[in-house]
Amino acid sequence: QKEVEQNSGPLSVPEGAIASLNCTYSDRGSQSFFWYRQYSGKSPELIMFIYSNGDKEDGRFTAQLNKASQYVSLLIRDSQPSDSATYLCAVNNDGATNKLIFGTGTLLAVQP
Amino acid sequence: DADVTQTPRNRITKTGKRIMLECSQTKGHDRMYWYRQDPGLGLRLIYYSFDVKDINKGEISDGYSVSRQAQAKFSLSLESAIPNQTALYFCATSELGGATETQYFGPGTRLLVL
Repeated sequence: QKEVEQNSGPLSVPEGAIASLNCTYSDRGSQSFFWYRQYSGKSPELIMFIYSNGDKEDGRFTAQLNKASQYVSLLIRDSQPSDSATYLCAVNNDGATNKLIFGTGTLLAVQP
Repeated sequence: DADVTQTPRNRITKTGKRIMLECSQTKGHDRMYWYRQDPGLGLRLIYYSFDVKDINKGEISDGYSVSRQAQAKFSLSLESAIPNQTALYFCATSELGGATETQYFGPGTRLLVL
């Protein structure tokens, strides 16, 4: 079992819809969770992080964390074609080093 | 100017050659990382350094070495390049923090080993 799993996609949504991206993790002791966006050929850029159960909102983005079920999700409201990218989930499961374990990413395609 | 820079941005080399990828940062962060990214495999940690005298292997360090020349500079070397080291390489930095310590990435170096 991979430590951090994401569906590779592509996830296709129409412009204006809500895109829902999911990530599961295997280490129950994981402390914090990060979502990065990566455009093709570019570097990952941080969207947001979450460490408490529940929802965390930042503009059109909402991260949801459920530690009991070991999943974290990212919702993108009012999706735009410019949101088309690969979304990487990263997990901090090492409190001594705070290293991150990355999922392989989900490709999101927002159709105009 | 970018906070994290990588040179070169693109490199083509031949099997057996030694090459060095360089990373510099102006963020003032103590922690620096080298990752490689391959299609379908995601980002994998090669080496990381928490300060100039602290260098650690990541999950895929074989065939690579690093040097932390200063707080702001962290170089990755491929001692004898092989074709399966063809990948996109990223440097990242972070500032010591708690569980929400965040990593910031450089623009990447695309390496092709023939």
